[in-house]
Amino acid sequence: DAGITQSPRHKVTETGTPVTLRCHQTENHRYMYWYRQDPGHGLRLIHYSYGVKDTDKGEVSDGYSVSRSKTEDFLLTLESATSSQTSVYFCAISAVSGAKNIQYFGAGTRLSVL
Amino acid sequence: DQQVKQNSPSLSVQEGRISILNCDYTNSMFDYFLWYKKYPAEGPTFLISISSIKDKNEDGRFTVFLNKSAKHLSLHIVPSQPGDSAVYFCAASGVLLQGAQKLVFGQGTRLTINP
Repeated sequence: DAGITQSPRHKVTETGTPVTLRCHQTENHRYMYWYRQDPGHGLRLIHYSYGVKDTDKGEVSDGYSVSRSKTEDFLLTLESATSSQTSVYFCAISAVSGAKNIQYFGAGTRLSVL
Repeated sequence: DQQVKQNSPSLSVQEGRISILNCDYTNSMFDYFLWYKKYPAEGPTFLISISSIKDKNEDGRFTVFLNKSAKHLSLHIVPSQPGDSAVYFCAASGVLLQGAQKLVFGQGTRLTINP
C-alpha cells in the first residue's frame, strides 16, 4: 500500500450542504491529486497540489476547492453540494516530477448527494 | 473531447487464454502511457507503463504494445487468470505546473475471466 488514507470512505449528504473530504499520506510525497470517477468517463482530475499551499485546477474543478496546509494532508471541499457531484472520489500521490511517473491511489470516497 | 478512448466497455475471456485490451489516444504530445487495474471498492493500482520511444514493454504475464503512428496501445495478458477480473484503465501522461503529472484516463474496460 502507498500509505494513503481517505476519509470518510462513504458519505451521504443533502443538496446545498458543505462537504469536506480528506486525503492523508505518510510518504512525504510532494504531489497530491484529487480525481472523480463516473461511469463512461474514467477518472478526471479535479485539483492538484505541488507543495504546501500550492494548488491548481484540473479538468473538472467547478464547484470544488482544495487546501494543503501540511505536506501530508490534502482536503477537497464542496462548498454547496449538488446532485451532479455524486461520484467516487480518489486521491493520488506521486513523488517524482514529470510525465514519466507513477501515481498511487487511495481507496476512494463514495459520495451521494440527495 | 475524449483524448483517450477505450472503446470496449467489457471483455470476457476464458481462463488460460489471452486477454487483449485496447486504447486509442488523439494527442500526439503524450509521451508516456500507463495501465491501471481496479477492483471494486478499491483504488486503481499501477500495472505497467511504456514510453513513446519504445513499442513494447513486458512484465511477467503483462505486455503493453504501442503503435505511435496509429496512436494506439494494447495490453496483453497471457495466460489470463481469474484474479485478472477487474476494470482496466489506460492513461496518457503529460506535465502540469511545477512538474506535476497530468494523467488523462480512458473510460475503462471491465475484464471478466471465466473458469
